[in-house]
Amino acid sequence: QSVLTQPPSVSGAPGQKVTISCTGSSSNIGTGYAVYWYQQLPGAAPKLLIYDDTKRPSGVPDRFSGSKSGTSASLAITGLQAGDEADYYCQSFDSRLSGSVFGGGTKLTVL
Amino acid sequence: EVQLVESGGGLVQPGKSLRLSCATSGFTFDDYAMHWVRQSPGKGLEWVSGINWNSVSIGYADPVKDRFTISRDSATNSLYLQMNRLREEDTALYYCAKAGGMSRHHYGMDVWGQGTAVTVSS
Repeated sequence: QSVLTQPPSVSGAPGQKVTISCTGSSSNIGTGYAVYWYQQLPGAAPKLLIYDDTKRPSGVPDRFSGSKSGTSASLAITGLQAGDEADYYCQSFDSRLSGSVFGGGTKLTVL
Repeated sequence: EVQLVESGGGLVQPGKSLRLSCATSGFTFDDYAMHWVRQSPGKGLEWVSGINWNSVSIGYADPVKDRFTISRDSATNSLYLQMNRLREEDTALYYCAKAGGMSRHHYGMDVWGQGTAVTVSS
């Protein structure tokens, strides 16, 4: 059972928008610790997609966006492309555990 | 170019030890926190351990606490993970990851290595 909760899977047609939720608690996201999102393509290492809740590293398309409210965060992907098929993970820091925590991951399928 | 290269993985019997290394280049190692993250076959990412830039703040996930030890060496720009009393459930691909800043608390992981595989089996 992961400290951060994500839906196991989401899907959408090319060009559509999908949203992946990440639910935490008062000891992590709710405390104000930043949320990070990672994309893991099949067979590859994870790649940072969103940092500090809403910021995109250089090179990440603006089709990817992050948001946060209370104890939850979300990753939105617009203009879905076949190349977006991957596993997506949220991550934050937990003050009670004094360690980083990941969500269980969400598998995105582009129909 | 920032690079992280893990090594030291392999097949080991339960109860034995293994030491993972992560050689870094392309950035000022002393200025950044570092992490180990693992991924069991077919499973999600699991944070294992993190260490601040100055080694003062160190943290471990509960499943590895008191068995694993993280350390860093500024002379060689390397990160290490000493794994003792290994269990079958420690079988995973172990990634080294660079934090975005000095603290392991306040930064995500902006660069990842390709991982080194650890298999614990008799």
